Amino acid sequence: EIVLTQSPATLSLSPGERATLSCRASQSVSSYLAWYQQKPGQAPRLLIYDASNRATGIPARFSGSGSGTDFTLTISSLEPEDFAVYYCQSSSGTFGQGTRLEIK
Amino acid sequence: EVQLVESGGGLVQPGGSLRLSCAASGFTFSSYEMNWVRQAPGKGLEWVSYISSSGSTIYYADSVKGRFTISRDNAKNSLYLQMNSLRAEDTAVYYCARELGYMDVWGKGTTVTVSS
Repeated sequence: EIVLTQSPATLSLSPGERATLSCRASQSVSSYLAWYQQKPGQAPRLLIYDASNRATGIPARFSGSGSGTDFTLTISSLEPEDFAVYYCQSSSGTFGQGTRLEIK
Repeated sequence: EVQLVESGGGLVQPGGSLRLSCAASGFTFSSYEMNWVRQAPGKGLEWVSYISSSGSTIYYADSVKGRFTISRDNAKNSLYLQMNSLRAEDTAVYYCARELGYMDVWGKGTTVTVSS
């Protein structure tokens, strides 16, 4: 079973700053990794698929990179609406435990 | 508009059963694989079950294997999750999600509470 470990658990930043979220897989998942954003009381929303492809309607400030076991979600300049919980997921179905992005 | 709408959640006693439904619209349901994903209160996302487009291939998380059954009716554009022998730890919001190797469309979820 593939285990995904996200870090940090919580990230405190200010609007306008750059956010870098990490996801590490216990074994290679090639490029089959997705990122989701979830706000309180809402369903998750797909942001990035296949490690680096933005989903439809996702702003260009969101980008994904990595392959194999190490992946990164970068938000280039935080907007107020970006403060949420972010999850990575491999194609096996496994989710990481999430990173909470909070306003500093 | 592509849409998934879950229903069937509620309060059930430990050991009881519940059947969740997910109604799909705005796309050719029979062409897509589907999943159930759950989220316990204050916790992260947990994949529960997967079903192929034809229903011939099915997978379950170990935590629900032998107790939950996923199925679909392509003629009715519907996905189901039959949940038996429910436990307190099954309390969660249950989402259905379309599968493309990633989950690109999600419903809003239905809440299942297992409590006496």
